[in-house]
Amino acid sequence: LAKTTQPISMDSYEGQEVNITCSHNNIATNDYITWYQQFPSQGPRFIIQGYKTKVTNEVASLFIPADRKSSTLSLPRVSLSDTAVYYCLVGSISFGTGRRALTFGSGTRLQVQP
Amino acid sequence: DGGITQSPKYLFRKEGQNVTLSCEQNLNHDAMYWYRQDPGQGLRLIYYSQIVNDFQKGDIAEGYSVSREKKESFPLTVTSAQKNPTAFYLCASSNGPQGVGNTIYFGEGSWLTVV
Repeated sequence: LAKTTQPISMDSYEGQEVNITCSHNNIATNDYITWYQQFPSQGPRFIIQGYKTKVTNEVASLFIPADRKSSTLSLPRVSLSDTAVYYCLVGSISFGTGRRALTFGSGTRLQVQP
Repeated sequence: DGGITQSPKYLFRKEGQNVTLSCEQNLNHDAMYWYRQDPGQGLRLIYYSQIVNDFQKGDIAEGYSVSREKKESFPLTVTSAQKNPTAFYLCASSNGPQGVGNTIYFGEGSWLTVV
């Protein structure tokens, strides 16, 4: 099962772009990369998902290099409300093969200052 | 509204008692999961279920039990065998047991405290 490594914490200021990188050296061929955001005492919330190259939605972009051994979540112009923990999740749900379900790492705590 | 409902939000348990956390989803998802989160830590998988009447142990299943008698329900029982049960518990579901690219949706969580 792919293990992920992220920075423990990051600091930024309002209006700046924030890039959080996740390493996943043993990612499998079928694995997608998904990022979640979690506020204290709440369930994680889906941000973005990708398989390769670049994916963009209304809140973030996800950059995945050709070897797929890492990925970078990019948050444009962060605000105070973006202060949260961000999880990189790598895996696929392939119960039929006996593979275990998705496992989360410890996440990156982003603190946005005014 | 569609989503995952966990109850109760806060629960207190005495030493030696079993408690059951409820999880209901109306997303028509086949797969459901239970995760445990300790303060400042990531999520750890307790149990998961691919389909009704089937479930598998995750990474930390000891001291927990589950059932999946209905598609929409996946209750978690924290038994007295779980020596350190104080934590935040998260229920989740996904829209398919097989295939890539499925997104996991989470409930709002339940806090369990041993008193």
